[in-house]
Amino acid sequence: GAVVSQHPSRVICKSGTSVKIECRSLDFQATTMFWYRQFPKQSLMLMATSNEGSKATYEQGVEKDKFLINHASLTLSTLTVTSAHPEDSSFYICSARDEGGTRSSYNSPLHFGNGTRLTVT
Amino acid sequence: DAKTTQPNSMESNEEEPVHLPCNHSTISGTDYIHWYRQLPSQGPEYVIHGLTSNVNNRMASLAIAEDRKSSTLILHRATLRDAAVYYCILSSSGTYKYIFGTGTRLKVLA
Repeated sequence: GAVVSQHPSRVICKSGTSVKIECRSLDFQATTMFWYRQFPKQSLMLMATSNEGSKATYEQGVEKDKFLINHASLTLSTLTVTSAHPEDSSFYICSARDEGGTRSSYNSPLHFGNGTRLTVT
Repeated sequence: DAKTTQPNSMESNEEEPVHLPCNHSTISGTDYIHWYRQLPSQGPEYVIHGLTSNVNNRMASLAIAEDRKSSTLILHRATLRDAAVYYCILSSSGTYKYIFGTGTRLKVLA
């Protein structure tokens, strides 16, 4: 089945530095990918929609200058947490939908990466 | 975005069926109902989805109420590996994004 690969799975960085997280669709193309953040014992919160070849769409309350998203190709989206602070420590998860075939995209299942655990010290 | 309501937690004995409910009273006619589950420290995993008719796959069954305002995910024989947080999500033709609710934490007792 469709696979979404996320890298790294775990990263520790110092306060003030930037961290890049990669999300790849391994066997399908995706013009749209989604980035989520999850704090302990909480549900997933949608941060932004990554659009191939154009600017990302951010959810209300998410700082676009802090969470830079680049969707450079149909199989790769990156999230860069700039000037990270301890409050940015979280579990970041990306997802993508296989848009191939004749089935309407919106009801096709989303495939999720295994997440990146970011710890800012 | 249409919202879903699920119980915070449920318990089941191993080898017994589990019925996980979800209310979505504001669902619109073209919204699909999706179920995902999340194991600790992993991304969500697709379980099943449907529109109006009941659906079955190797993982579970999805029973959708006739008025579509509620649905039930059925695990026919719970195993310890089914312990996870289960999310019921609606996908709308107007948007391609998923909004997660609080989900149901399923505990399976040996």
